Amino acid sequence: AQSVAQPEDQVNVAEGNPLTVKCTYSVSGNPYLFWYVQYPNRGLQFLLKYITGDNLVKGSYGFEAEFNKSQTSFHLKKPSALVSDSALYFCAVRVNTGGFKTIFGAGTRLFVKA
Amino acid sequence: EPEVTQTPSHQVTQMGQEVILRCVPISNHLYFYWYRQILGQKVEFLVSFYNNEISEKSEIFDDQFSVERPDGSNFTLKIRSTKLEDSAMYFCANRVRETQYFGPGTRLLVL
Repeated sequence: AQSVAQPEDQVNVAEGNPLTVKCTYSVSGNPYLFWYVQYPNRGLQFLLKYITGDNLVKGSYGFEAEFNKSQTSFHLKKPSALVSDSALYFCAVRVNTGGFKTIFGAGTRLFVKA
Repeated sequence: EPEVTQTPSHQVTQMGQEVILRCVPISNHLYFYWYRQILGQKVEFLVSFYNNEISEKSEIFDDQFSVERPDGSNFTLKIRSTKLEDSAMYFCANRVRETQYFGPGTRLLVL
């Protein structure tokens, strides 16, 4: 079955420190991978995606993610966290069904402490 | 980022009532999606819609749900007879190339 796993419910990091939010996936074929961020009482905001090409993709607000095919992972990273990065982060994969729906992970809540 | 808008932002309804949630997609992009997020839980796919037809739906999307493009631009999700467990955030999304862009959501509360 096609799925996305985010093994951490919550990640805590101090402001200025690097952050990593983990994601692993299980899909048939080549994966289309995404990260979205959700701030309180807001919608899902697109951060970045991997379709093909370089394994390291850069997105909005200084975030980047590394696609690792052998480990089936797509971890989200940022070299220096900001308090304003505190939010709920979702990893997602597009599945190659008729409607090209997106399957989301359960989400990881990031807390950045000043 | 391309903008998808949704109305209303909040809706409170009585169990058994019909609700219609509206979405204004990005111009000229024909793939539409509805998702829901029950409070504190993951985002779940409901239905995808392309060229005025449902292309895929989940097991959640039963006979109580329907989608339409009533005037060629707006995109609606109707719940015919709401249940308590329909209380959730409902997001519409529009696909631009390979990326789905989401609206801000409608928070539905069924009492």
